[in-house]
Amino acid sequence: NAGVTQTPKFRILKIGQSMTLQCTQDMNHNYMYWYRQDPGMGLKLIYYSVGAGITDKGEVPNGYNVSRSTTEDFPLRLELAAPSQTSVYFCASSQQGSPLHFGNGTRLTVT
Amino acid sequence: AQSVAQPEDQVNVAEGNPLTVKCTYSVSGNPYLFWYVQYPNRGLQFLLKYITGDNLVKGSYGFEAEFNKSQTSFHLKKPSALVSDSALYFCAVRDPGSSNTGKLIFGQGTTLQVKP
Repeated sequence: NAGVTQTPKFRILKIGQSMTLQCTQDMNHNYMYWYRQDPGMGLKLIYYSVGAGITDKGEVPNGYNVSRSTTEDFPLRLELAAPSQTSVYFCASSQQGSPLHFGNGTRLTVT
Repeated sequence: AQSVAQPEDQVNVAEGNPLTVKCTYSVSGNPYLFWYVQYPNRGLQFLLKYITGDNLVKGSYGFEAEFNKSQTSFHLKKPSALVSDSALYFCAVRDPGSSNTGKLIFGQGTTLQVKP
């Protein structure tokens, strides 16, 4: 029972590089979310999706893009990495009315 | 604006003593409130939630939380702390305008340190 799987676990990027953070869930959840966690700041919502083909911006979407072509997958794209995007990124999924299930995170450093 | 506050960055308690981790909220309408725990290098794990009904909610690992509408608080409690309870705890409220999206607003987090 894998739940929510995120890859990679760690990544170091140079300023201006791009990358995709992968997230997949095997619980057939309709709702998926990307949060970033910064020390002392809690979690901030970047993007979310309520189903395949539907995405919307959260609180801090600038510098990121997402897609949701299938129920299972919700990748997060960074096009031009900046030091301000150094953070720990968490993907989560849920069904309506149920708690969020989180992945183990991707720790990203941009230098 | 909807918000959640955890006024303590860190709570220290001796093993066997009761613990409280504080949370206050500000939302319009009836709040849906949650507690999550995060162990090092792991994602958040759900502990408990308040939707409606009894103000005392019981959750995983012996934790409970008390909803107080007049004080707009939802404090996490445990009668007897364990060293293994040491972790980062997050309070969250469901965005009242997002009943069909499930979006959560998180507090800043409180580190619980339980000493043997």
